[in-house]
Amino acid sequence: GENVEQHPSTLSVQEGDSAVIKCTYSDSASNYFPWYKQELGKRPQLIIDIRSNVGEKKDQRIAVTLNKTAKHFSLHITETQPEDSAVYFCAARGYSGGGADGLTFGKGTHLIIQP
Amino acid sequence: SQTIHQWPATLVQPVGSPLSLECTVEGTSNPNLYWYRQAAGRGLQLLFYSVGIGQISSEVPQNLSASRPQDRQFILSSKKLLLSDSGFYLCAWSLSKNTEAFFGQGTRLTVV
Repeated sequence: GENVEQHPSTLSVQEGDSAVIKCTYSDSASNYFPWYKQELGKRPQLIIDIRSNVGEKKDQRIAVTLNKTAKHFSLHITETQPEDSAVYFCAARGYSGGGADGLTFGKGTHLIIQP
Repeated sequence: SQTIHQWPATLVQPVGSPLSLECTVEGTSNPNLYWYRQAAGRGLQLLFYSVGIGQISSEVPQNLSASRPQDRQFILSSKKLLLSDSGFYLCAWSLSKNTEAFFGQGTRLTVV
């Protein structure tokens, strides 16, 4: 099955600086890579996703890059703001030819924005 | 629009007691349904997924079970809870394999 590694586990940046979170996956057949943001005690919510036919995707201050050859993908947040503080999860979904296999998640990165 | 409801929000249960968590989805038909567990300070672990009524796949062997008695209803159960079952349980749905999963608000289960 799929295995997703996420680094770092904790990331502290100054407000206004950029933050980068990196993930690697093991299944070369994986073709869907979402990123979720989870605030304390709340449900994870999708912030951006990318499919394997795309190398980069941007949405305002958030961007995701995918390197299929190296099997890694990254989340980039620019001009960080206090409300960006949360736990961020990467995930990957492989293709098994059928079924509804759930996403495999990384262990999460606790992003702390220092004022 | 689609919505997902999960209840209860919090639950404290003694060791050895049964468990039943319910999740329902509105506004869509034949969704893929999932149960995840999140232990404190850790990632999301897929427990069960379902592609249709009565069709359940288990990802991790455990003393939990899941059922899908109706198209948009997904239930997580246990006959006898263990201390290690404590965690944050999240139900989710998606339209297909390659679309985002939408999460319920979660149930924080504490087994004492």
